[in-house]
Amino acid sequence: GESVGLHLPTLSVQEGDNSIINCAYSNSASDYFIWYKQESGKGPQFIIDIRSNMDKRQGQRVTVLLNKTVKHLSLQIAATQPGDSAVYFCADVSSGGSYIPTFGRGTSLIVHP
Amino acid sequence: GAVVSQHPSRVICKSGTSVKIECRSLDFQATTMFWYRQFPKQSLMLMATSNEGSKATYEQGVEKDKFLINHASLTLSTLTVTSAHPEDSSFYICSAGTGVNQPQHFGDGTRLSIL
Repeated sequence: GESVGLHLPTLSVQEGDNSIINCAYSNSASDYFIWYKQESGKGPQFIIDIRSNMDKRQGQRVTVLLNKTVKHLSLQIAATQPGDSAVYFCADVSSGGSYIPTFGRGTSLIVHP
Repeated sequence: GAVVSQHPSRVICKSGTSVKIECRSLDFQATTMFWYRQFPKQSLMLMATSNEGSKATYEQGVEKDKFLINHASLTLSTLTVTSAHPEDSSFYICSAGTGVNQPQHFGDGTRLSIL
């Protein structure tokens, strides 16, 4: 992800709505992508991942879409719940490189009951 | 599976103190662990890659003599913040992975506050 070290963008949604969180990455050699959720005062938790040979992957209430042409990744959360409120980070990895994930700047999701 | 435990969760100490943070992989072996630093409302900044049995690889701008890393076994890496000062106050997080193209699993972080 493109990490610029600035304050986090925020997405506010109502409970029950669908949420879409976007992420751009810059390394065209990246071939593995991960979404993490970080609650306040805790470490990031793995949500879902996708490899570059796919453009969509679904989990429980979450879907990740990958557009390699424009180097864009999105996380869709269906029927967003207050417990989904957290900061969401994307990370990209180049298996031809160091295997070290590069984290995006993160998006703060606020779900209003 | 793939649990990473980090200890302590919070440290408050005086300026000049050295602080050791432990990162353990509880149910898997990790030849490589990563140490991150995170400021409020910002992303994770990689500090160093901890390699079992060898020297850590530090990112540009991170002082290796300030942030000592030891990875003495396949399940434990430690980060020691030496002679800590208020500007070292931050949230430090470690992670470990189970293999190539597998997600990193993170500890719950250590909140370090230097008075």
